[in-house]
Amino acid sequence: QVHLVESGGGLVKPGGSLRLSCAASGFMFHDYYMSWIRQAPGKGLEWISYISGGGGSTYYVDSVRGRFTISRDNAKKSLDLQMDSLRVDDTAVYYCAREGELGWFDLWGPGTLVTVSS
Amino acid sequence: EIVLTQSPATLSLSPGDRATLSCRASQSLSRYLAWYQQKPGQAPRLLIYDASNRATGIPDRFSGSGSGTDFTLTISSLEPEDFAVYYCQQRSNWPPLTFGGGTKVEI
Repeated sequence: QVHLVESGGGLVKPGGSLRLSCAASGFMFHDYYMSWIRQAPGKGLEWISYISGGGGSTYYVDSVRGRFTISRDNAKKSLDLQMDSLRVDDTAVYYCAREGELGWFDLWGPGTLVTVSS
Repeated sequence: EIVLTQSPATLSLSPGDRATLSCRASQSLSRYLAWYQQKPGQAPRLLIYDASNRATGIPDRFSGSGSGTDFTLTISSLEPEDFAVYYCQQRSNWPPLTFGGGTKVEI
């Protein structure tokens, strides 16, 4: 069964760190670009980072560049997001998503909630 | 960065009604636009890609149209399960990929 499942969310203080993971199953993980997309409570969707299938190409939106690091382990079929220097406005549900063969997000995990609060 | 503006913010309709949702882009996207549906507590689901192509398993009451800067998602006859929030997303000029602010279709 084709699946993505995120883990690692939780409550962290401003300035703290958290590492999210996304476990993939049921498809050739290394063939796909993967992204992290977040959604603040009651707000819309914000794409924040992607990584190419081989891991050699990455991108970050301005709001997280220099603080977040995306990585993947194709052998373990795992996608990670290391989040440092967290801010209150990083509070959101974080989704991992697969960019399908047609270039759109055709597979999403259920999300993991990150709350940054003192 | 391409800005996507969705309207209306909220659409109040009844089951069986026709729903028409709009997404306007700040610059031409050609047809590189998708629509997603999100229900409370769930991840988004891809409905329409490349402006007018239904994703796998999407009922034919959902249709997309448009090109350039103006796009429309139409639900021909609302079913109870269609009441949700709908987002458009572009990949014409990226990074960054961007989403619209969403339209809530409510009963």
